[in-house]
Amino acid sequence: SAVISQKPSRDICQRGTSLTIQCQVDSQVTMMFWYRQQPGQSLTLIATANQGSEATYESGFVIDKFPISRPNLTFSTLTVSNMSPEDSSIYLCSVFSGSFTGELFFGEGSRLTVL
Amino acid sequence: SQQGEEDPQALSIQEGENATMNCSYKTSINNLQWYRQNSGRGLVHLILIRSNEREKHSGRLRVTLDTSKKSSSLLITASRAADTASYFCATDAESSASKIIFGSGTRLSIRP
Repeated sequence: SAVISQKPSRDICQRGTSLTIQCQVDSQVTMMFWYRQQPGQSLTLIATANQGSEATYESGFVIDKFPISRPNLTFSTLTVSNMSPEDSSIYLCSVFSGSFTGELFFGEGSRLTVL
Repeated sequence: SQQGEEDPQALSIQEGENATMNCSYKTSINNLQWYRQNSGRGLVHLILIRSNEREKHSGRLRVTLDTSKKSSSLLITASRAADTASYFCATDAESSASKIIFGSGTRLSIRP
């Protein structure tokens, strides 16, 4: 299993500002995944973050809006840039379990509200 | 885009009854998983079923998979108030096993 810590757990932000979310894992992992969950909706994959290379973004998500860092095998950040109320969501970091069966472990998420 | 669609979107049952949720997906898969999300929390993995399996049990959970119909069901028997949560199916893709895509989810409410 993996223990994932996310910061901040929640924040209220002003339109036009940017916020960086941190994700710390208690073990080394190859891939880290960032998901967005809009209010009342399911999870949508934003990008996959690999250490030592640029993140791979899913359709509809771009690096300028959601820059990701992956400086080592236990840590990643996601920045939500130039925020608008439509960015109000829960942002979740996740990693595969050590057994590589496809099972994901999730952090508790970062709930952002943009005014 | 979401891989899976779930029905019902919401389900309310009496404590002690069984709850059944269904998931349909679009592409070939290696495995299908079910997750639970309590309100405002992260997701918790419940069970994984591989594409060559048809049924799997874990405690009060029973999952079926029909790859010919691209569908799965999650049965929770003898429901408890603590089972109140949202339930999501999730699939990988044969072409990209490292990408897990989530279905639309079912909100389950257990009435005491």
